[in-house]
Amino acid sequence: GENVEQHPSTLSVQEGDSAVIKCTYSDSASNYFPWYKQELGKGPQLIIDIRSNVGEKKDQRIAVTLNKTAKHFSLHITETQPEDSAVYFCAAKGDMRFGAGTRLTVKP
Amino acid sequence: NAGVTQTPKFQVLKTGQSMTLQCAQDMNHEYMSWYRQDPGMGLRLIHYSVGAGITDQGEVPNGYNVSRSTTEDFPLRLLSAAPSQTSVYFCASSRTAHTPGTGELFFGEGSRLTVL
Repeated sequence: GENVEQHPSTLSVQEGDSAVIKCTYSDSASNYFPWYKQELGKGPQLIIDIRSNVGEKKDQRIAVTLNKTAKHFSLHITETQPEDSAVYFCAAKGDMRFGAGTRLTVKP
Repeated sequence: NAGVTQTPKFQVLKTGQSMTLQCAQDMNHEYMSWYRQDPGMGLRLIHYSVGAGITDQGEVPNGYNVSRSTTEDFPLRLLSAAPSQTSVYFCASSRTAHTPGTGELFFGEGSRLTVL
């Protein structure tokens, strides 16, 4: 089955800096790579996703890049704000095998 | 629009007791699933369903049962609770299970279960 590894497990940045979270996957058949944001006490919410026929996708301050050859994909958040503080999860494949999560803290 | 509704939000059980976590969605989604979330381990799939009458095991199914008698409801049953089942449980739904163009999962707010 699919195995998804996510790094780092915690990330602390200053407001305005960029944050990058990386995930690797094992199943070359995986074709859908979403990122979820989980705020304290709530369920995860999709923030951006990418499909295997696309190398990069942007949505305002958030971008995701995919390298299918190397089997890794990354979440990039630019101009971070305190409200970006949350736990972020990557996932791969249709049955949604999730990474272990990254706790992002943005310091004002 | 309510989305995915989970009940109860909090529950304390004693070892050996049974209980059911309820999950309902009002989006007419075919796919529903249950995850457990433990510190440092992310979200792990327990059971899932691709439609009414169809269920299958996920990554960590032992100790849990599910059924899907209607499109809307997907209850998770713990037959004999164990301390290892202390966790936060999330129900999620998706429009379809295998359509390439749609994969977003919609999560409930979670149910925190403590087994003493």
